[in-house]
Amino acid sequence: KNEVEQSPQNLTAQEGEFITINCSYSVGISALHWLQQHPGGGIVSLFMLSSGKKKHGRLIATINIQEKHSSLHITASHPRDSAVYICAVRSRGSNYKLTFGKGTLLTVNP
Amino acid sequence: DVKVTQSSRYLVKRTGEKVFLECVQDMDHENMFWYRQDPGLGLRLIYFSYDVKMKEKGDIPEGYSVSREKKERFSLILESASTNQTSMYLCASSLTSGGPRSSYEQYFGPGTRLTVT
Repeated sequence: KNEVEQSPQNLTAQEGEFITINCSYSVGISALHWLQQHPGGGIVSLFMLSSGKKKHGRLIATINIQEKHSSLHITASHPRDSAVYICAVRSRGSNYKLTFGKGTLLTVNP
Repeated sequence: DVKVTQSSRYLVKRTGEKVFLECVQDMDHENMFWYRQDPGLGLRLIYFSYDVKMKEKGDIPEGYSVSREKKERFSLILESASTNQTSMYLCASSLTSGGPRSSYEQYFGPGTRLTVT
């Protein structure tokens, strides 16, 4: 069983819809990362969080440490949000090693 | 802005060839990483380097070696390429631990899509 599970695997939405992507993990962590990968490969870090909630523009990330669960929300989705969203966790005691989820492919149609 | 560059975006090699993938970062980061990314498997760590000439095996080091002779450059070597090494290869870098939280953030290169025929 993968230590980091994401759901859904694929998500199709209409422009303007509110999007939620979920991430559950099974180990104790020191931080959780949300990453975005556009077609072509490049990966960009969106958020790094260890508690609570962070917001950047239309993106919101939350984490519940007790439940070992994080969500990434996109408000007023746009076709340019179409990408693979990847959750990754840094285990407690590790200074560098990230364990990655398999990613969620989001397609936002105009 | 941190910049991580990789020597090729696309590469086609023959089985048995020796393959070098190069990664360069321009922000004086101590840590550098090589990952491969395959459909349905996500990103998996091949090797990690925390300093010049220092390296640690990741989750899937078999069939690979690495070299870090200079701080800014981290090379991944496929000694004898095989078809099961066809994949997307991603390099990343980060500051060393002990600094502010943002130092744990990994910055990724654009990736090299390697096809071994």
